[in-house]
Amino acid sequence: GQQLNQSPQSMFIQEGEDVSMNCTSSSIFNTWLWYKQDPGEGPVLLIALYKAGELTSNGRLTAQFGITRKDSFLNISASIPSDVGIYFCAGQLNRGAQKLVFGQGTRLTINP
Amino acid sequence: DADVTQTPRNRITKTGKRIMLECSQTKGHDRMYWYRQDPGLGLRLIYYSFDVKDINKGEISDGYSVSRQAQAKFSLSLESAIPNQTALYFCATSEGLTSGGQETQYFGPGTRLLVL
Repeated sequence: GQQLNQSPQSMFIQEGEDVSMNCTSSSIFNTWLWYKQDPGEGPVLLIALYKAGELTSNGRLTAQFGITRKDSFLNISASIPSDVGIYFCAGQLNRGAQKLVFGQGTRLTINP
Repeated sequence: DADVTQTPRNRITKTGKRIMLECSQTKGHDRMYWYRQDPGLGLRLIYYSFDVKDINKGEISDGYSVSRQAQAKFSLSLESAIPNQTALYFCATSEGLTSGGQETQYFGPGTRLLVL
């Protein structure tokens, strides 16, 4: 099936550092969503992107819908301990597509 | 109160047993989904439903069945559980496509299932 390639798979950083992760695909996507999953919990929506080139912020988080519509990135500035978790990208392949495609996730670990 | 709830949160069962996982939502959404999460594989779609009585297979439906008897409830069953069905299971809901044909899904807290 259609795959989203999410990288890196894991990150180990120091508190206060900035974080960057991205998702790419060989196919064009209509929508990009970024979720965060805390240990023992379900994914929570962080940012939704609906237009190519769109840059959206949510606090210390910034995400962009790539201009080619085949990629998206998520940045976290000045990381704090509660940023620990798994971050997933998800995409909708075309307008009206009935399902989302998920990346494999990026596991973020922060050393205080 | 949570908008999407799942019961049980944790379950241990034996091979061959029948299990039902429940999902309830108070968001008033028509669309509901069941996903399975395995380490390194992200989320994979098992079944989805766009309305009461509507059932559609996802990419990994073999060994599973679902029931959507009410808008707020979507149940996932493992008719005869096997060890490789050990995973984290998530329910999700969506209000459907926007006028622009776009969709956002909201997830429950998950059910951790161990099949011995």
